[in-house]
Amino acid sequence: DVKVTQSSRYLVKRTGEKVFLECVQDMDHENMFWYRQDPGLGLRLIYFSYDVKMKEKGDIPEGYSVSREKKERFSLILESASTNQTSMYLCASRGRGYYGYTFGSGTRLTVV
Amino acid sequence: GESVGLHLPTLSVQEGDNSIINCAYSNSASDYFIWYKQESGKGPQFIIDIRSNMDKRQGKRVTVLLNKTVKHLSLQIAATQPGDSAVYFCAEKDGANNLFFGTGTRLTVIP
Repeated sequence: DVKVTQSSRYLVKRTGEKVFLECVQDMDHENMFWYRQDPGLGLRLIYFSYDVKMKEKGDIPEGYSVSREKKERFSLILESASTNQTSMYLCASRGRGYYGYTFGSGTRLTVV
Repeated sequence: GESVGLHLPTLSVQEGDNSIINCAYSNSASDYFIWYKQESGKGPQFIIDIRSNMDKRQGKRVTVLLNKTVKHLSLQIAATQPGDSAVYFCAEKDGANNLFFGTGTRLTVIP
């Protein structure tokens, strides 16, 4: 089974901190995604990546950046965390030739 | 632009009854759709998918129906069980082969 692992289930950070959310997949998938999930708003795409060192903005990239130095790892970076970035963050991956995503379990981030 | 929406944000059903979760989409060019289930504290998990050249696809206790004429998608769950309680998302594939998700329907199964 494809596994997508997010390094933290829960995080509490202070306003202004730089925050790293890590995601690793073990099936050699080319495509990786970061979403945030908020009540009533569903899943909103922050950034995605088609390959190593490639990144594309999603629908809500402001306040975020990403890094993909290795194929299996896709990091989401909050340069200066703010309270409105309190949310559930979901990482997903997708292999070439397939449309469905495999999701991680999510990281619930609280910014105080 | 594309939009994927759900008719009802919540649905409550009696254990043993059938559940129907609906989804509307706006992009008539979408050729692939997928349903996910998200249990509390977990990431979304794949349930079933369907391509636009099909009207119906069945899995274990689940059926997805696609009506391209009215751009409507539904997920039917037979003999709903307490373990089916979750949030269900539909998604459609956009032109870049990325998925665009709806806001979700929360299904509650009443014992």
